[in-house]
Amino acid sequence: AAGVIQSPRHLIKEKRETATLKCYPIPRHDTVYWYQQGPGQDPQFLISFYEKMQSDKGSIPDRFSAQQFSDYHSELNMSSLELGDSALYFCASSSRLSGGAYNEQFFGPGTRLTVL
Amino acid sequence: AQSVAQPEDQVNVAEGNPLTVKCTYSVSGNPYLFWYVQYPNRGLQFLLKYITGDNLVKGSYGFEAEFNKSQTSFHLKKPSALVSDSALYFCAVRVATPLNDYKLSFGAGTTVTVRA
Repeated sequence: AAGVIQSPRHLIKEKRETATLKCYPIPRHDTVYWYQQGPGQDPQFLISFYEKMQSDKGSIPDRFSAQQFSDYHSELNMSSLELGDSALYFCASSSRLSGGAYNEQFFGPGTRLTVL
Repeated sequence: AQSVAQPEDQVNVAEGNPLTVKCTYSVSGNPYLFWYVQYPNRGLQFLLKYITGDNLVKGSYGFEAEFNKSQTSFHLKKPSALVSDSALYFCAVRVATPLNDYKLSFGAGTTVTVRA
């Protein structure tokens, strides 16, 4: 079965550079979530989108922005990167239509961002 | 606030022995609880969820979890552990968002090591 696709899988950037992470949800999934997992930490919710609208915002820095496009893929844009942004960034998707608000989130493999 | 706690950082068991990973929750209203597993350098994989109904929930890879309302617990169990079960396990709770969606709030994670 198709899974959540994230690209790139690994990304190395310098401080103050920008990065764009992409997420392609499972087909027919309408909701996308972004999480950040620091080294040895649990995943922390950043932001979510439903039908291209932002549905919730967590502990996401102002330097970060995200959007969901008409084909439901999402991009997380990160500017003025800092060393502390080094983490594993997960995208997850779910479908309100098939499971309502109770449906589980399916996670992608993550993008490992390293800021030097 | 909705939250979960995993009191053990690490659990070590011998192959073939029962495995229990503990999780307690603090939720107002009905809790919607999840277990995810993360293998090294991999994404989060859904194991099982409790929404309502039977207190014993069966999930993937032979795992099950018991919802205990009086003890506010949702412990993950496997009757006979395998070396391949060695991984990082996260308990999570659904937290409602403004647009009738939800995000996941994760516990700190428990590292399970199954020795041969």
